[in-house]
Amino acid sequence: DVQLVESGGGLVQPGGSMRLSCAASGFRFSNYAMNWVRQSPGKGLEWLSYIRSSDNAIFYADSVRGRFTISRDNAKDSLYLQMTSLRVEDTAVYYCARANQGESGWFDPWGLGTLVTVSP
Amino acid sequence: EIVLTQSPATLSLSPGEGATLSCRASQSVSRYLAWYQQKPGQAPRLVISDASNRATGIPARFSGSGSGTDFTLTISSLEPEDFAVYYCQQRSTWPLTFGGGTKVEIK
Repeated sequence: DVQLVESGGGLVQPGGSMRLSCAASGFRFSNYAMNWVRQSPGKGLEWLSYIRSSDNAIFYADSVRGRFTISRDNAKDSLYLQMTSLRVEDTAVYYCARANQGESGWFDPWGLGTLVTVSP
Repeated sequence: EIVLTQSPATLSLSPGEGATLSCRASQSVSRYLAWYQQKPGQAPRLVISDASNRATGIPARFSGSGSGTDFTLTISSLEPEDFAVYYCQQRSTWPLTFGGGTKVEIK
């Protein structure tokens, strides 16, 4: 089965940093682009970042550009999100999601998510 | 940035009734639009891709239509497991964006 499992969430103070991980299994990770998407409590979905496998092309949402860094390690079948200068409004469940058509496509599947809480 | 506007925000219906959800884009996204279903405490699940293609395992009662700026998700006859929040999403242009969601609730 294709599976994505996020980890690394928790409580952090404003201005702090945190690194999220997403472990992939059940598919050839190196063949697929990956994304991070978040959902603030009781709110909708917000796409954050994309990383392509073939050339590591990267895109960010304006809300996180310059503060968050996406990366991947194909040898470890893992995706990462390094978050710095965290703000209260970054509090959310963070999901990793595969692009289902290789380099592009739709978010399918999604991980279960990891909760990040930014609070004094 | 392409803004996706979903309507209505909430749809109150009974099992067996049909549901029609709308998603309007601020500019053309061609057919690069998908629909996701999210139940409480769960991750979203892909329902429809490329405006009208049902994802793997999605029942035939779900259908999508539209192109350009106006899209519709139709559920022909609601089953108890269909009550959830539905989001549309475009991948025509960076940044990728989602609509605000439509909650389909039991009347």
